[in-house]
Amino acid sequence: GESVGLHLPTLSVQEGDNSIINCAYSNSASDYFIWYKQESGKGPQFIIDIRSNMDKRQGQRVTVLLNKTVKHLSLQIAATQPGDSAVYFCAENIKGAQKLVFGQGTRLTINP
Amino acid sequence: DADVTQTPRNRITKTGKRIMLECSQTKGHDRMYWYRQDPGLGLQLIYYSFDVKDINKGEISDGYSVSRQAQAKFSLSLESAIPNQTALYFCATSDGSLALQFFGPGTRLTVL
Repeated sequence: GESVGLHLPTLSVQEGDNSIINCAYSNSASDYFIWYKQESGKGPQFIIDIRSNMDKRQGQRVTVLLNKTVKHLSLQIAATQPGDSAVYFCAENIKGAQKLVFGQGTRLTINP
Repeated sequence: DADVTQTPRNRITKTGKRIMLECSQTKGHDRMYWYRQDPGLGLQLIYYSFDVKDINKGEISDGYSVSRQAQAKFSLSLESAIPNQTALYFCATSDGSLALQFFGPGTRLTVL
């Protein structure tokens, strides 16, 4: 079926370390993936996206990796800062479905 | 993102009351969406609209209705609110050429 799931609901990292947030998806017809960041009391904000014909895409301090063989998506945040504390969602666009399917979310907390 | 606004931001109401949540956008996007978010969970699609004359049910449309008054406005109504509709409600918009969605700040609804 159509689903986007996350391996871990919470992740704690030390400030300055790198964070890796994982996401599994099940639909081979997904052609576009998005990572959103949701801070407390706010709506989800776009971080980075990747199309299914790519394996890697980099932004400012963030990298998204896509492994279509195992249907796995990850978000890497370099040098994690206190402002990175939030819930991170992955979402997939299933080709032809005209809507996004969201995962459950991973809460990232930063230890000083 | 100030381009997508929602009113009210918080609302407390009683069981059986009719409630309307409003969403406005200045992004010029054709597509608008209403989502519900329960604690610890991802976003569930309630309704979506691809233009003023197009309304589609999402995953959890029962108990809800929508109105697309104009390209920039999309309202969500709870005809007779019940306690399990207590949740965060988000409006989102997208350009028809991309799946990327931009979210409003959310409305926290409590039904007593």
